[in-house]
Amino acid sequence: DTEVTQTPKHLVMGMTNKKSLKCEQHMGHRAMYWYKQKAKKPPELMFVYSYEKLSINESVPSRFSPECPNSSLLNLHLHALQPEDSALYLCASSQVGGSSYNEQFFGPGTRLTVL
Amino acid sequence: AQTVTQSQPEMSVQEAETVTLSCTYDTSESNYYLFWYKQPPSRQMILVIRQEAYKQQNATENRFSVNFQKAAKSFSLKISDSQLGDTAMYFCAFMKQYPNDYKLSFGAGTTVTVRA
Repeated sequence: DTEVTQTPKHLVMGMTNKKSLKCEQHMGHRAMYWYKQKAKKPPELMFVYSYEKLSINESVPSRFSPECPNSSLLNLHLHALQPEDSALYLCASSQVGGSSYNEQFFGPGTRLTVL
Repeated sequence: AQTVTQSQPEMSVQEAETVTLSCTYDTSESNYYLFWYKQPPSRQMILVIRQEAYKQQNATENRFSVNFQKAAKSFSLKISDSQLGDTAMYFCAFMKQYPNDYKLSFGAGTTVTVRA
């Protein structure tokens, strides 16, 4: 299984809602990532988890709250979002360590619209 | 910090022909990786090709090849025998090798359209 899955595919939420994005991989990867991607732009790194611990937070607003409950799952909890947070949210995973590059495998993304 | 520059926002190519995408980068690192990622419309991003900076030989993956010029900090992608399925946005990306901080620095992207 060389797949990263993300649910839901699409999400529409109001600014007062609380919702969660889910990401799952079964490749035995121990690093997982959240990216935000605006249309026609490159992905922007938000968070990195390594061995289920948050290792990178790219100064993301607290209305985004990541969680890594186990080595296969990664969640992104959303609360009080703004319309400018509307974007494609990508999850990725990779191996950790070793002497060679650890390829990041990307999921298909969740397209989020904040009204 | 590393910067990656893709100067061609859009390119169009006839099916079966060749197209070359340019990428330049700026870094003070000696050891790093360079990548080209492909993101088709409404589909997930996949790695097309990878180049280790310490390798002089240019990487090749089937119809995709790179021209890596380390001194010039240039990393172009050539797509030969273009196919309709090559239509996508292509991102050039950089990652330093040591220490591995997991961070990919992406260029702005080049949208490639293959015409039938």
